[in-house]
Amino acid sequence: DVKVTQSSRYLVKRTGEKVFLECVQDMDHENMFWYRQDPGLGLRLIYFSYDVKMKEKGDIPEGYSVSREKKERFSLILESASTNQTSMYLCASSLAREAGELFFGEGSRLTVL
Amino acid sequence: GENVEQHPSTLSVQEGDSAVIKCTYSDSASNYFPWYKQELGKRPQLIIDIRSNVGEKKDQRIAVTLNKTAKHFSLHITETQPEDSAVYFCAASFTGTASKLTFGTGTRLQVTL
Repeated sequence: DVKVTQSSRYLVKRTGEKVFLECVQDMDHENMFWYRQDPGLGLRLIYFSYDVKMKEKGDIPEGYSVSREKKERFSLILESASTNQTSMYLCASSLAREAGELFFGEGSRLTVL
Repeated sequence: GENVEQHPSTLSVQEGDSAVIKCTYSDSASNYFPWYKQELGKRPQLIIDIRSNVGEKKDQRIAVTLNKTAKHFSLHITETQPEDSAVYFCAASFTGTASKLTFGTGTRLQVTL
């Protein structure tokens, strides 16, 4: 079974803090993604990566950055958290570069006060 | 970029009835259309997908149809059961963009006894 593990299920941070969300997958997948899930808005892509040290902007990259130093790990960074970044963050991975099944982590619910 | 619209946002059916969820997409180059199911408090999981070289695909009680000319695709669930209650997301992507999926806003399906 593919396992995508997100380091924190629940986080509470203050405005202006730097936030790291970590994601690890154990199936040697090429692609990794960070999505944000908000009620009524579905899943929106923040950033994705199809190789180590490669990253591409998704649909809503503003206020976020990412890091992929190792194939199995993809980190989402909020340099200065704001209240409008309160959300559920979902990491996902997929096997190969062409379109295929996404395997999601359990999600990290971030609250910014 | 791609834009995916999904309707309805909520759907209530009686057990044993059929449910249909519809999505439209904007980018005629899209050629991969998956559907994900997210149960309450759980991660989204792929339930069925279709590629643009076929018009219909079926897996037991679930089927997906694709009309490339009209740029819409639909999920059909027959003989609904209480365990079908969940949020369903459609998505679309073009194969050449590292499986960068654009999701619809989701449909909350409630199957009542």
